[in-house]
Amino acid sequence: GAGVSQSPSNKVTEKGKDVELRCDPISGHTALYWYRQSLGQGLEFLIYFQGNSAPDKSGLPSDRFSAERTGGSVSTLTIQRTQQEDSAVYLCASSLAGTSGLTDTQYFGPGTRLTVL
Amino acid sequence: LAKTTQPISMDSYEGQEVNITCSHNNIATNDYITWYQQFPSQGPRFIIQGYKTKVTNEVASLFIPADRKSSTLSLPRVSLSDTAVYYCLVGANTGFQKLVFGTGTRLLVSP
Repeated sequence: GAGVSQSPSNKVTEKGKDVELRCDPISGHTALYWYRQSLGQGLEFLIYFQGNSAPDKSGLPSDRFSAERTGGSVSTLTIQRTQQEDSAVYLCASSLAGTSGLTDTQYFGPGTRLTVL
Repeated sequence: LAKTTQPISMDSYEGQEVNITCSHNNIATNDYITWYQQFPSQGPRFIIQGYKTKVTNEVASLFIPADRKSSTLSLPRVSLSDTAVYYCLVGANTGFQKLVFGTGTRLLVSP
């Protein structure tokens, strides 16, 4: 079946511009996650959505970052007034989270490479 | 999630068995051990998960000693396409997991 998809695959923007990154999770997955990976580094958690619950935004680095998930499916990560330090690969993952006793494997998309000039 | 320690890099040759060990001294009773693989320009991919003893699937084996303070990912007969970064994670396997990836182990397989 189809995996997690993300768009665009690459985004180059100028400092100060706003960007929107999109994630389409695997159909039926109730949980959706956003991570950020800087060059040569591990993944940094940003935000988590689970069903209709309020999202866990504890990983968002600043108020310039926001995310929404419409209809429990597609998610958009928005970065306002981008800065050069925002340059990274933004990864989205989805899972069947929340069901006791089941292995909660996260399936990742290919990521969006953001470059802020 | 419990902190993990793994080698920064490893080198191997095609056809050899590769064992990557991860230390997780403060693993909790309800924590599972999960390994992910990441190729350049791709998102991490789940490889294997276990709680204790040995788990085997079509890709790898995972060995976990009785004290669970470490685990070893075993890749049988590696090929060039196994060149990737391998991450070890420890945490509960149900509900929300805020995955904390370290820098992982960079495996280079040469001809």
